Amino acid sequence: AAGVIQSPRHLIKEKRETATLKCYPIPRHDTVYWYQQGPGQDPQFLISFYEKMQSDKGSIPDRFSAQQFSDYHSELNMSSLELGDSALYFCASRPGAFLSGELFFGEGSRLTVL
Amino acid sequence: AQKITQTQPGMFVQEKEAVTLDCTYDTSDQSYGLFWYKQPSSGEMIFLIYQGSYDEQNATEGRYSLNFQKARKSANLVISASQLGDSAMYFCAMREGAPGYSTLTFGKGTMLLVSP
Repeated sequence: AAGVIQSPRHLIKEKRETATLKCYPIPRHDTVYWYQQGPGQDPQFLISFYEKMQSDKGSIPDRFSAQQFSDYHSELNMSSLELGDSALYFCASRPGAFLSGELFFGEGSRLTVL
Repeated sequence: AQKITQTQPGMFVQEKEAVTLDCTYDTSDQSYGLFWYKQPSSGEMIFLIYQGSYDEQNATEGRYSLNFQKARKSANLVISASQLGDSAMYFCAMREGAPGYSTLTFGKGTMLLVSP
């Protein structure tokens, strides 16, 4: 079965650079979530989209932006990168009306800022 | 206040033994959902089990069961017959409100190590 696809899987950037992470949800999933997991930390919710509109916002820095496109894929854009942005970034998806609310996670994109 | 509390930073268990990972939650919503996810060292988040607040029976999925005690606001994960491949970080998570578009809030996690 198709899963959530994230790219790139690994990314190394320098401070003050920009980075873009991509997420391709499971087919027919219209809701996408972005989470950030720092080293040894629990995943922290950043932002979510439903039907290409932002549906909820968590602890996303102003330097970050995200959007969901017409094909439901999503991109997380990160600018003026800081050392503290080094983390595993998860994208998760689910159908909007899913009974339990379970999120299906991708394998994550590991960002290292040097 | 923490919405999800996992008080065990680490747990050790021998292969084939059962282990219970603790999770307590805090919500004023009547409708909510509780989840357990497994995160091996490779990093991916693997869904294990779900319990809805209105479910009267404890959820079970193979070797995983969720000991749901609503009055105590606890949702402990029980792994029976531990296997070496169960060594991983385990996160308890909660969805508040009715199933819809609300996100999940995670606990700090419990690292489980299974020894031969």
